[in-house]
Amino acid sequence: QQQVKQSPQSLIVQKGGISIINCAYENTAFDYFPWYQQFPGKGPALLIAIRPDVSEKKEGRFTISFNKSAKQFSLHIMDSQPGDSATYFCAAKGAGSYQLTFGKGTKLSVIP
Amino acid sequence: DTAVSQTPKYLVTQMGNDKSIKCEQNLGHDTMYWYKQDSKKFLKIMFSYNNKELIINETVPNRFSPKSPDKAHLNLHINSLELGDSAVYFCASSFTGNGEQYFGPGTRLTVT
Repeated sequence: QQQVKQSPQSLIVQKGGISIINCAYENTAFDYFPWYQQFPGKGPALLIAIRPDVSEKKEGRFTISFNKSAKQFSLHIMDSQPGDSATYFCAAKGAGSYQLTFGKGTKLSVIP
Repeated sequence: DTAVSQTPKYLVTQMGNDKSIKCEQNLGHDTMYWYKQDSKKFLKIMFSYNNKELIINETVPNRFSPKSPDKAHLNLHINSLELGDSAVYFCASSFTGNGEQYFGPGTRLTVT
């Protein structure tokens, strides 16, 4: 069964610190790995995404690291800010598939 | 301009009632989705339509019936509501095969 396992379930980080959220997948047919950010009372919004032909993608303070052999990918938030406090979801999609398989989410709290 | 909109935002109803949630997108996408997010924040795909054709129909009770009158609209009708249907329902849209899904603001359904 297609699964994406996400950890930790919750994370508390000091302002200015680095937040790291990890995901692991089983299905080697997955070829697209997005991260979504969800604020309370809002819908998830695409934050950053990566395909397996690269090992890292950076957009501002957000970086995805991808390890194809280990079937793992992670989100790093540098210089974490209180405004980054949200729930983060990793996801994966197979080539030709319409369906995103989501991880269970990580609630990030950045404290001043 | 709202990209993906849902109505209503909140829906409180009693067990046994029938209710509908409407979704509209103005992004020109050809694929639309319904997700259910439970109290633990887990996002579960329910249905997906591509060019008005049902392409994903996860294990969802028959009481749930989606309908897509055109590519820009996807509605969800729920019959005989049960307590366990209480959740936030999100509509999303994308281009065919593109993992970049855009989510609506959600409809919080409370069944009493």
